[in-house]
Amino acid sequence: EVQLVESGGGLVQPGGSLRLSCSASGFTFSNYAMHWVRQAPGKGLEYVSAISRDGDKTYYPDSLKGRFTISRDNSKNTLYLQMSSLRGDDTALYYCVPQKDLGRWGDYWGQGTLVTVYS
Amino acid sequence: QSALTQPASVSGSPGQSITISCTGTSSDIGNFKYVSWYQQHPGKVPKLMIYNVSDRPSGVSNRFSGSKSGSTASLTISGLQAEDEADYYCNSFATSRTWVFGGGTKLTVL
Repeated sequence: EVQLVESGGGLVQPGGSLRLSCSASGFTFSNYAMHWVRQAPGKGLEYVSAISRDGDKTYYPDSLKGRFTISRDNSKNTLYLQMSSLRGDDTALYYCVPQKDLGRWGDYWGQGTLVTVYS
Repeated sequence: QSALTQPASVSGSPGQSITISCTGTSSDIGNFKYVSWYQQHPGKVPKLMIYNVSDRPSGVSNRFSGSKSGSTASLTISGLQAEDEADYYCNSFATSRTWVFGGGTKLTVL
């Protein structure tokens, strides 16, 4: 059974940093590209980042480049998201999502970890 | 990368068919066959309903179908049922090699 457990969320002040983790099991982690997707309270889904299977390629929307860094440790079956210079509009539930093939992802989602940026 | 454009809401009566549109540009929907649709019920995680424009994962009802014309993708739900009431999001691969979501559409079954 595929399991994705996100952790590391919490309360942080504007300008602060957080590192999210996603522990994966039930599938061969190193065979999957991985994504982070977020959802602000009461809002829609927003694409955050992606990383290739071996971690040598990373992707970000222009709006998040420079503040967020995605990484992975295939030996630990774990995905990470380092977030810095956090702002109020980063408040959201952050999901990790595996992708086996280019055109198909989203079959499995974790329950998410909540990041709240407050002042 | 701008968000894809979806109607904020659509509605239909049980048994009817509805279509949700998702408009992008030549940098995303218009250039790739990698369009997906997700269903999200309140308090739940998203569920993949359609991928590669029109493919259905196993277990998804054949009442759900997808299509694309130019830079606009569409999700059609036929034989509308009460359980279909949810938020629906489209998603497309883009030339920037990232993905972009639509703003979401709330489907109400009357």
